[in-house]
Amino acid sequence: DVKVTQSSRYLVKRTGEKVFLECVQDMDHENMFWYRQDPGLGLRLIYFSYDVKMKEKGDIPEGYSVSREKKERFSLILESASTNQTSMYLCASGQGGVYEQYFGPGTRLTVT
Amino acid sequence: AQSVTQLGSHVSVSEGALVLLRCNYSSSVPPYLFWYVQYPNQGLQLLLKYTSAATLVKGINGFEAEFKKSETSFHLTKPSAHMSDAAEYFCAVTLNAGKSTFGDGTTLTVKP
Repeated sequence: DVKVTQSSRYLVKRTGEKVFLECVQDMDHENMFWYRQDPGLGLRLIYFSYDVKMKEKGDIPEGYSVSREKKERFSLILESASTNQTSMYLCASGQGGVYEQYFGPGTRLTVT
Repeated sequence: AQSVTQLGSHVSVSEGALVLLRCNYSSSVPPYLFWYVQYPNQGLQLLLKYTSAATLVKGINGFEAEFKKSETSFHLTKPSAHMSDAAEYFCAVTLNAGKSTFGDGTTLTVKP
């Protein structure tokens, strides 16, 4: 079974803090994704990566950056957390092309 | 550009009744379509996928979906709802490079 793990299930941070969310997949997938999920808005793509050190902006990249130094690991960075970044963050991985994505359990981030 | 519309943010059915969750897509090229399910406090998991083979697709837990090109629809059905089907359901469309666009989600409630 594909396994996608995220470093924390729940996280509470203060406004202005730098926040790191880590994601690891064990299936040698080329693609990795970061989404945020908010009630009524579905999943919105923040960034995705199709190879090591490669990244592309998604629909809502403002206030976020990413890092992919190894194929299995994709990190989401909030340089200076703000209250409007309080959300559920979901990481996913998938093979290249039109294959399905495999999701981690999510990190519920609260910024106070 | 691709987009997905899920009609009805909340659907409520009685246990044993038919489940019908609606999804319409917009795509300039033949799409690949997916249904995912999300149980509370979990990530998304794949229910089924359409990748241009048979138009009637069977998935896990007794769900199926029919691709109708003329109606640009990919509705999800299950003949008889079970209490354990209560969850949020997402329709997604993928064109290429593995990047998907998700609908806003439909929350299914199953009444005893």
